[in-house]
Amino acid sequence: GQQVMQIPQYQHVQEGEDFTTYCNSSTTLSNIQWYKQRPGGHPVFLIQLVKSGEVKKQKRLTFQFGEAKKNSSLHITATQTTDVGTYFCAGSSNDYKLSFGAGTTVTVRA
Amino acid sequence: GAVVSQHPSWVICKSGTSVKIECRSLDFQATTMFWYRQFPKQSLMLMATSNEGSKATYEQGVEKDKFLINHASLTLSTLTVTSAHPEDSSFYICSARGTDFYEQYFGPGTRLTVT
Repeated sequence: GQQVMQIPQYQHVQEGEDFTTYCNSSTTLSNIQWYKQRPGGHPVFLIQLVKSGEVKKQKRLTFQFGEAKKNSSLHITATQTTDVGTYFCAGSSNDYKLSFGAGTTVTVRA
Repeated sequence: GAVVSQHPSWVICKSGTSVKIECRSLDFQATTMFWYRQFPKQSLMLMATSNEGSKATYEQGVEKDKFLINHASLTLSTLTVTSAHPEDSSFYICSARGTDFYEQYFGPGTRLTVT
C-alpha cells in the first residue's frame, strides 16, 4: 500500500531560525495535504497541493509539491513559539483516504 | 471553518466491556467519515472509512467485528469498540469531509483507557 515517509521526526529550533520538513511517498500522489497538531490537540488542516511543482505560501510557511508528485516539503521561516506542534503531511490517491507521515515535532527555544 | 465534535472526550472502561464513540459534523453534511487511531507521539493510523448509508471499509489488519462503525446519517458516525482489552487503549480521532471540499476536519479525539 501507499507509504508516506517524513523527516525529521524532531526539530528543535532557535526562535527566529528557519527549518524544513520533508515528505516522500512510495507512489505517485494525486494530492498532498499538510496538517498541524498542537500538543494535546487534534490535527488542523493547513493546505493542499495538487499540481506538479506547485508552491504555496501562507505567511511564513512555504509548501512545495515535487515535479513527480511523490515528495513535498514545508519550510518555515523566522520560527516563532506559536509554531510549536507536530506537522504531518498526508498523501492521497483518488479515493480520498489519507496516508499520514510520521510527523515532525517542532520545539522552539527562545 | 467546518466543525466536528466527538463524544466522549475520554472514557475509562473495564476489560470485556464495549464503548461507543460518537463523531458529529456540526455545520456540514459529511458524506465520508474516517476513523483513526493515534498512539502517543506517533502518527495517525487510518482504521476505516465510512460513507453514509453503506458499510464501512476497513484497513488491512483492523478487525471489523471488534471495531463496529455505523454511519447512519450525514452528520453522525459511531465507532463501537467491542469487548475492549487494555491493548485497545489509545487516542481515537474521527474526521469528516463533505462534498464541497477536499480537506478533512478532525474531531477533538477520544482517549480510551481500558483497565
